[in-house]
Amino acid sequence: DTEVTQTPKHLVMGMTNKKSLKCEQHMGHRAMYWYKQKAKKPPELMFVYSYEKLSINESVPSRFSPECPNSSLLNLHLHALQPEDSALYLCASKEIASTDTQYFGPGTRLTVL
Amino acid sequence: AQSVAQPEDQVNVAEGNPLTVKCTYSVSGNPYLFWYVQYPNRGLQFLLKYITGDNLVKGSYGFEAEFNKSQTSFHLKKPSALVSDSALYFCAVRDPFRSGANNLFFGTGTRLTVIP
Repeated sequence: DTEVTQTPKHLVMGMTNKKSLKCEQHMGHRAMYWYKQKAKKPPELMFVYSYEKLSINESVPSRFSPECPNSSLLNLHLHALQPEDSALYLCASKEIASTDTQYFGPGTRLTVL
Repeated sequence: AQSVAQPEDQVNVAEGNPLTVKCTYSVSGNPYLFWYVQYPNRGLQFLLKYITGDNLVKGSYGFEAEFNKSQTSFHLKKPSALVSDSALYFCAVRDPFRSGANNLFFGTGTRLTVIP
């Protein structure tokens, strides 16, 4: 099973709202990732967690706050977003070994009004 | 510096014809190369990867890719295209600047359209 699940599939929020995106995998992967993808563009890395610890933050604005409560879950907390933050947010996971494959979830389509 | 490039934004091919989606890379050392496919409003699905060994890599859905070190290319191929192959294809390389994180750096993507 190479499934990564993400909820919700779609999210519409106002600029003053607080919401969270959730990602879950049960493959025993110890590296998890958040990517942001704008329409017709490649995914861009936001955050990397290794062994539940944040290892990379790609200078993402603080209105995005990641959290990894355990080895199967990855959250992205959203607060005071801007309309330009509207995008597809993709979660991925992989084994720690460098040669292993990243598996992606279906994404959450976020619209900020 | 660009690590992986997809020179074609769009590729059109007739159903039943062979297809090629091009990818070139520019990384030092041994590149770890991947192909992913993305259908509309969906996440990325893994097709195949090259790490080491045989230059011809076979993947999902009848796709294959050939690693060519002298030409620094990793083109995706399929002998006979299906309409259902129409999608956005991304070539990716393990980020050469942060090998510890093993995150992927993606090309700009190529939209493949298979014409019935």
